Amino acid sequence: EAGVAQSPRYKIIEKRQSVAFWCNPISGHATLYWYQQILGQGPKLLIQFQNNGVVDDSQLPKDRFSAERLKGVDSTLKIQPAKLEDSAVYLCASILFSGGITEAFFGQGTRLTVV
Amino acid sequence: DAKTTQPTSMDCAEGRAANLPCNHSTISGNEYVYWYRQIHSQGPQYIIHGLKNNETNEMASLIITEDRKSSTLILPHATLRDTAVYYCIVRVVRSGGGADGLTFGKGTHLIIQP
Repeated sequence: EAGVAQSPRYKIIEKRQSVAFWCNPISGHATLYWYQQILGQGPKLLIQFQNNGVVDDSQLPKDRFSAERLKGVDSTLKIQPAKLEDSAVYLCASILFSGGITEAFFGQGTRLTVV
Repeated sequence: DAKTTQPTSMDCAEGRAANLPCNHSTISGNEYVYWYRQIHSQGPQYIIHGLKNNETNEMASLIITEDRKSSTLILPHATLRDTAVYYCIVRVVRSGGGADGLTFGKGTHLIIQP
């Protein structure tokens, strides 16, 4: 079974520039999460998708962050404009629900450095 | 979701059993205990989960106290590759699934010593 694909693996941008991250979840997984992980901290949930709809984006800084999952498969997370504090690893998780149990499969993440 | 408390870091000798504790004193009856780990530069990886019975799989064992207020993840024969941050998470089981986000704390940094 193919895993969760994320790209790019690394990105360096200057503050105030824009950036986009892409995620292709495991085939058949309807639910997808984006996380932000700052160095030394646990992953912080940003947004949850169920198919192509947003279930919860309460933790997403909507003044600069946006995300979409137009066809209910792959997803894009965008930051515009980026700030220094956005430097982090951005993780995508593909979620399997089975018998009420949740198992999350994570991609390797995109490491963003804002300079 | 209930909060969990884990030690910041632990050491364990290679080949010995690593026992990672987690306190979840406010857990409710419909919340499962999940364990994930994150090896350096990788995304988190599912290890095991349980409700009230002890569980074992090819990776680890999960021991949950009778009152469910704490649990212990056991790696029976730790290797250097088990060095990682281990996260204990409790979350509600919702019938029919549904998008219920996994909330990570800071976890325990387990260091396996050669």
